[in-house]
Amino acid sequence: ILNVEQSPQSLHVQEGDSTNFTCSFPSSNFYALHWYRWETAKSPEALFVMTLNGDEKKKGRISATLNTKEGYSYLYIKGSQPEDSATYLCAFLFGNEKLTFGTGTRLTIIP
Amino acid sequence: DAGVIQSPRHEVTEMGQEVTLRCKPISGHDYLFWYRQTMMRGLELLIYFNNNVPIDDSGMPEDRFSAKMPNASFSTLKIQPSEPRDSAVYFCASSHRQGYNSPLHFGNGTRLTVT
Repeated sequence: ILNVEQSPQSLHVQEGDSTNFTCSFPSSNFYALHWYRWETAKSPEALFVMTLNGDEKKKGRISATLNTKEGYSYLYIKGSQPEDSATYLCAFLFGNEKLTFGTGTRLTIIP
Repeated sequence: DAGVIQSPRHEVTEMGQEVTLRCKPISGHDYLFWYRQTMMRGLELLIYFNNNVPIDDSGMPEDRFSAKMPNASFSTLKIQPSEPRDSAVYFCASSHRQGYNSPLHFGNGTRLTVT
């Protein structure tokens, strides 16, 4: 059984503050780690696909880092805005084809 | 590009009835995935196809569930007979594999309610 753990489960952040959360995954047989944003009543949308230890990716105010040796990835949001409210999912690519999702971090930005 | 198209958006049916969910992947994508989302278990992979061939169906809950992909532009997920515990949102996703770098593109999901 593959365990992809995300923490915290939920998070409330004041508008303008920065925040981060964690995805933990098996450190052996690593292929890729995906991050998705899932807004209420919509479908998950890809943020990043990360494949190399030490990878850092950035999209606007959102960035992610990857440590494959210890099996974790961080997602950072700088200067949170109300539109950042969503569930953020990470997914571990197992066997080069099968993505296993974590249960997500539900982020709420307080205006 | 219209994205991944799923139908219907909502389905309400009675226990014991057959349910068919449909998916049209993005043109040119080689992989198609069916996921189920529940409060308890999050997003679970049910089955996936590569070039229309089922590769791994180990996530299919039981024999009541079946999936087909008769061609590159269409897939179905069928539940027969349906049960209340099948109530969930079912997502279809597709990707165009180039090494490990291809993200999934999700459809809008089908919310299934079995009464």
